[in-house]
Amino acid sequence: QKEVEQDPGPLSVPEGAIVSLNCTYSNSAFQYFMWYRQYSRKGPELLMYTYSSGNKEDGRFTAQVDKSSKYISLFIRDSQPSDSATYLCAMRSGGYQKVTFGTGTKLQVIP
Amino acid sequence: DAEITQSPRHKITETGRQVTLACHQTWNHNNMFWYRQDLGHGLRLIHYSYGVQDTNKGEVSDGYSVSRSNTEDLPLTLESAASSQTSVYFCASSEERGSYNEQFFGPGTRLTVL
Repeated sequence: QKEVEQDPGPLSVPEGAIVSLNCTYSNSAFQYFMWYRQYSRKGPELLMYTYSSGNKEDGRFTAQVDKSSKYISLFIRDSQPSDSATYLCAMRSGGYQKVTFGTGTKLQVIP
Repeated sequence: DAEITQSPRHKITETGRQVTLACHQTWNHNNMFWYRQDLGHGLRLIHYSYGVQDTNKGEVSDGYSVSRSNTEDLPLTLESAASSQTSVYFCASSEERGSYNEQFFGPGTRLTVL
């Protein structure tokens, strides 16, 4: 069983839709949770970063962490064609720089 | 502006050849990482370094080696390339230990082993 599970998609939604991307994990030592966005043929870039359970909002993006269920989510409101990318969840234990990534979910927002 | 670069961007080689992929960062980060990205597997850690002369194996290190002689560079060497090593390789760097350690990724090297 992988430490981090993520549905690879692809996920196709119309412009303006609310998108929900999710990951589950099995390692209870994970304390820091991240979402990276990767455009085609580019390197990943950090989108959101959270530490505690609960919600963190940044513009149209909301990251949600439920440590009791070992479940994290990324919500995108009013999705735009420019949001079309692969979204990777990532997490790490406290005090260590190594990060474990999910396989990524490919999102396509149709104009 | 600080950046992280990789070279070459594309490489085709033959089975059994030694290949070295370069990674150079101007962030002055101590931590550097090499990943490979394959469909269905996501990003998998090959090797990582927390500073000069420090190297560590990741989850898929067999057939790969790294050396860290300065802060800026972490070259990845495939000792004897195999077709299973056809992949996209990403280098990344991050700051020292702390609660916030964004990894900055290079543009990737697409390697094909024939």
